[in-house]
Amino acid sequence: AQSVTQLDSHVSVSEGTPVLLRCNYSSSYSPSLFWYVQHPNKGLQLLLKYTSAATLVKGINGFEAEFKKSETSFHLTKPSAHMSDAAEYFCVAYNAGNMLTFGGGTRLMVKP
Amino acid sequence: EAQVTQNPRYLITVTGKKLTVTCSQNMNHEYMSWYRQDPGLGLRQIYYSMNVEVTDKGDVPEGYKVSRKEKRNFPLILESPSPNQTSLYFCATKASGSREQYFGPGTRLTVT
Repeated sequence: AQSVTQLDSHVSVSEGTPVLLRCNYSSSYSPSLFWYVQHPNKGLQLLLKYTSAATLVKGINGFEAEFKKSETSFHLTKPSAHMSDAAEYFCVAYNAGNMLTFGGGTRLMVKP
Repeated sequence: EAQVTQNPRYLITVTGKKLTVTCSQNMNHEYMSWYRQDPGLGLRQIYYSMNVEVTDKGDVPEGYKVSRKEKRNFPLILESPSPNQTSLYFCATKASGSREQYFGPGTRLTVT
């Protein structure tokens, strides 16, 4: 069975400082992995995706994530947080059965 | 513009009163899916459809029905809603062979 664990339910950073949102997955095979962002009262927007090409994936708005098979991790990072980054972030794994498995979400707060 | 639309966006209803949440997409995608989002649980799949007249259960199908009579529409039906179905619901679509899902804006349902 596939599972996705987001290690922090809440992360708070100051504007201009780095962001790290942690995600671990378990799967019997190399999954496709995604990060989605959900701003308040909005739907989910795809930030980036890993599909077994380059292990370092660049997404929109300056975010990137690195797939580390040895650590079964897919952490999301950004060098410098902006106020507009405040949102909830979901790490998601895709399996061959066309099903997405979502992590529990991490709420990112950005302080001025 | 590629869109996934849901109606209504907000709904407050009473226990036992049948309701339907509609989902429509203009991308000619074969695959459509319904999720519910609850705090700390991420999104969980309710039902999905690989194509017209083909539907299957996701992780949490109890208390829900779906139909797929046309490619563009995938309504979610609650025959007898209960308070534990109070949640935020998302419809999603994707093209065959793609792993990226496009999400609608969400429907916030409250059952009293």
